[in-house]
Amino acid sequence: AQSVTQLGSHVSVSEGALVLLRCNYSSSVPPYLFWYVQYPNQGLQLLLKYTSAATLVKGINGFEAEFKKSETSFHLTKPSAHMSDAAEYFCAVSDPTSGTYKYIFGTGTRLKVLA
Amino acid sequence: EAQVTQNPRYLITVTGKKLTVTCSQNMNHEYMSWYRQDPGLGLRQIYYSMNVEVTDKGDVPEGYKVSRKEKRNFPLILESPSPNQTSLYFCASSFVRDRWGYTFGSGTRLTVV
Repeated sequence: AQSVTQLGSHVSVSEGALVLLRCNYSSSVPPYLFWYVQYPNQGLQLLLKYTSAATLVKGINGFEAEFKKSETSFHLTKPSAHMSDAAEYFCAVSDPTSGTYKYIFGTGTRLKVLA
Repeated sequence: EAQVTQNPRYLITVTGKKLTVTCSQNMNHEYMSWYRQDPGLGLRQIYYSMNVEVTDKGDVPEGYKVSRKEKRNFPLILESPSPNQTSLYFCASSFVRDRWGYTFGSGTRLTVV
């Protein structure tokens, strides 16, 4: 069975500081991995996805994530936080062989950016 | 504009009163899905549909029904809502050929009293 663990339900960083949001997964097959962002009162928006191509994936708004098979991790980073990055971030995993296209979402990490 | 539209955005109802949350997409996506979002639990899939007249249960289907009579619409039906169905609901869609690129609706916040 697949699962996703996001360490830290709340993360605070200062504006201009590095953003690091952690995601570890469990999967019996090589997974597809995703990061989504949710701004207040909005739906989820895809930030980036890993689908077995390059292990370092670049997404929108300056975010990137690196797939590390040995660590079963897919942490999300951004070199310099902006106030507009304040949102909730969800990591998700999917089995590309399942045929159901189902995501397993993590419980989310709320990012706060301090001025 | 390409989008997934859910209605209503907010709904307060009483226990046992049937309700329908509508979802419509204008991108000709084959795949559509419903999720509920609860604090500390993330998003959990309720039902999904691979195409017209093809639907299947997700992880938490109890108390919900869906139908897919047209490609663009995928309503979520609560025949007899209960307070434990108070949640934030999201509809999402994608092409099957690009099934890893969900587009989400803006959500429906449902309160059952």
